[in-house]
Amino acid sequence: GQSLEQPSEVTAVEGAIVQINCTYQTSGFYGLSWYQQHDGGAPTFLSYNGLDGLEETGRFSSFLSRSDSYGYLLLQELQMKDSASYFCAVGAGGGNKLTFGTGTQLKVEL
Amino acid sequence: DSGVTQTPKHLITATGQRVTLRCSPRSGDLSVYWYQQSLDQGLQFLIQYYNGEERAKGNILERFSAQQFPDLHSELNLSSLELGDSALYFCASSPGRGTVYNEQFFGPGTRLTVL
Repeated sequence: GQSLEQPSEVTAVEGAIVQINCTYQTSGFYGLSWYQQHDGGAPTFLSYNGLDGLEETGRFSSFLSRSDSYGYLLLQELQMKDSASYFCAVGAGGGNKLTFGTGTQLKVEL
Repeated sequence: DSGVTQTPKHLITATGQRVTLRCSPRSGDLSVYWYQQSLDQGLQFLIQYYNGEERAKGNILERFSAQQFPDLHSELNLSSLELGDSALYFCASSPGRGTVYNEQFFGPGTRLTVL
């Protein structure tokens, strides 16, 4: 089976940089993804790492180390609108099944 | 707006009842996925349909069933409802059999409350 661990909550100030870590155990790995979910909203796709290294998309970057079964999401120049839950997810079974972590609630303060 | 639509937005019902949740995928997407999100269980994959056929199964209870119709919309049927079934149910879609870069497009969800 698959299991993913993330911190439950992270707090940071506007303009700062925050890193959300994710460690995973999985059989059959098809990449690590990150999703953002605002309260009451739908999860939205942020990024994907299939190979080791850093992927950058604007203010967000995501990193993967397959040998360590570890990844992180880096958010720079934090804005109030970044306050949301962030989920890491691994694909398995040909990528059909996404197993999500328990989510990290990010609170951005002034 | 992801292009995935779900109805109804809210549903309140009693234990023992049966409900049907509906999902229309993005135009052109052939796969539909159902997820359950509750406070204690997080976001759990239930089932995937691809072009009308069941493709992958997750932690879906026997009381739950789903299908995908020729027009590609999907329905999730929940029967003999229990209090613990109260949750947010999401539908997601993707173009092919699997997901490219693990990217799925989620609908706004149906909030089910079982009293």
